[in-house]
Amino acid sequence: ETGVTQTPRHLVMGMTNKKSLKCEQHLGHNAMYWYKQSAKKPLELMFVYNFKEQTENNSVPSRFSPECPNSSHLFLHLHTLQPEDSALYLCASSQVVSADYGYTFGSGTRLTVV
Amino acid sequence: QQQVKQSPQSLIVQKGGISIINCAYENTAFDYFPWYQQFPGKGPALLIAIRPDVSEKKEGRFTISFNKSAKQFSLHIMDSQPGDSATYFCAASSLNYGGSQGNLIFGKGTKLSVKP
Repeated sequence: ETGVTQTPRHLVMGMTNKKSLKCEQHLGHNAMYWYKQSAKKPLELMFVYNFKEQTENNSVPSRFSPECPNSSHLFLHLHTLQPEDSALYLCASSQVVSADYGYTFGSGTRLTVV
Repeated sequence: QQQVKQSPQSLIVQKGGISIINCAYENTAFDYFPWYQQFPGKGPALLIAIRPDVSEKKEGRFTISFNKSAKQFSLHIMDSQPGDSATYFCAASSLNYGGSQGNLIFGKGTKLSVKP
C-alpha cells in the first residue's frame, strides 16, 4: 500500500450527475495534490493544498470543486462533467509543497463520463 | 517554455539490454529533474532525481545523465528486466523560485516493455 488511498477506483457517471472522489493519506504529509492523467498527455496539475489551504488552481473548470477538510483528506467534487473529462484522476501528497520531497501518488480513480 | 518533451513514446527492449529515455526542456529556471515510474493500475512513484550541479546520478541499474548546456536529461536502465516494464515519466520544477514554479511539470511518458 502506497500510503495514499483513493476511492472509488472506478466511477462511471452521467453528465448530469454529481459525484465525489476521495483521497486519504496516512503519511503525515502537509501538502496534497490533484492530477489528471489522460492518454498520451502529460500529467496535468489541477489543485494544490498546503496545510489545508488551496495554493494553486491551475485554470481548472468550475465543474471540478476541491475540498480539503484537513491535511489527511482531499476530495474532488464533480458535477455536470463532459465526456472529455474522462481520465484517471490521481491524488498525491508530499511532506511540504516542494517537488524535491517526492510526491507519493495514490492508485487513482478511473473516471468515465457518459 | 513550461513543457518537458519526452521521447520515445514507447520502447521495446530485450532482457539484459539498455533502455534509454530522453527528455528536453526550455525553461532554464528548472533546477530539479526527477523520474517517476508507473506500473499498470498504480500511481507514479519517484524513481530517481538529479539537480543540475551534477552531470550524472546512479542508483543501482538506473542512471540519470544530465546535459545542462543542451537542456536535456535522460534515464538509462542497465540490464533491463521484465519487471522494469512500466511507463516512465520525466519531470522538472524550479525549486529556487517556489510558488507555482515549484510544481512538477511532467513529460508525456514512455511505455517500456522488456521482452524475456
